[in-house]
Amino acid sequence: GAGVSQSPRYKVTKRGQDVALRCDPISGHVSLYWYRQALGQGPEFLTYFNYEAQQDKSGLPNDRFSAERPEGSISTLTIQRTEQRDSAMYRCASRSSGGAWGETQYFGPGTRLLVL
Amino acid sequence: TQLLEQSPQFLSIQEGENLTVYCNSSSVFSSLQWYRQEPGEGPVLLVTVVTGGEVKKLKRLTFQFGDARKDSSLHITAAQPGDTGLYLCAGGLVFGAGTILRVKS
Repeated sequence: GAGVSQSPRYKVTKRGQDVALRCDPISGHVSLYWYRQALGQGPEFLTYFNYEAQQDKSGLPNDRFSAERPEGSISTLTIQRTEQRDSAMYRCASRSSGGAWGETQYFGPGTRLLVL
Repeated sequence: TQLLEQSPQFLSIQEGENLTVYCNSSSVFSSLQWYRQEPGEGPVLLVTVVTGGEVKKLKRLTFQFGDARKDSSLHITAAQPGDTGLYLCAGGLVFGAGTILRVKS
C-alpha cells in the first residue's frame, strides 16, 4: 500500500473485553513495530517483528498484551481483559529492512483506544 | 536501559524567533533520529545523524550529533507557525518524551 494503515482508527470498549488492533505495513517492508503513545509524549516501544518472527517483546506491559504477524505482512496487537489504564493511542510503524537505523521508519495514523 | 531526555518539554515563541531543542542521554547511540509530529498524525522522520560531530541542515533546521554520540540538538532559525508540532528524538526503538513547540504569528 501507499502507507502504513491501521484499523480501527477509534475503538471504545468496556473494561474486561478483548480488543484486536490491526496494522497493515507498507508492502514489502520487513520490519514492523508497535508503540503506545500518550498525548503529547513520545512513542513507547511495545514489540517488533522482522518478517513473521517476533524479535523483541520486552516492551509489552504484561501478559494481557500479545502480537502476531503470521505471514510476515499484516500484524495484530491483541489486548485481553482490557483495563482503563490501557487507554492510549497505539501506533504501528514499518521499515523496509531490519538493519541499521539509517532507514526511515514510517508510522501509521494510530488506533485510539478508550476503555470505559 | 537507554533513555533519551528532551528539553525543554514545551516552548512557545513568536514567529521569527530562533530556538534550540536538546536531546541528551548517558548512553552512546549508533545513530539518532529526529521526528516531527502534528496533531492527529504519526511522527514523520526529519533526519538521521550517524557520525559524532555531524551537522545536517534541512532548510531552516540544523541538526547536530554530539562528538560522543550521546546527545543531539535541533536548531530552528526564524520559526514559522507551520513549525508548530511535537519534536521527538529517537535512538532506534527508544524515543524521548518530546518537545511541544508552538509558534505564534
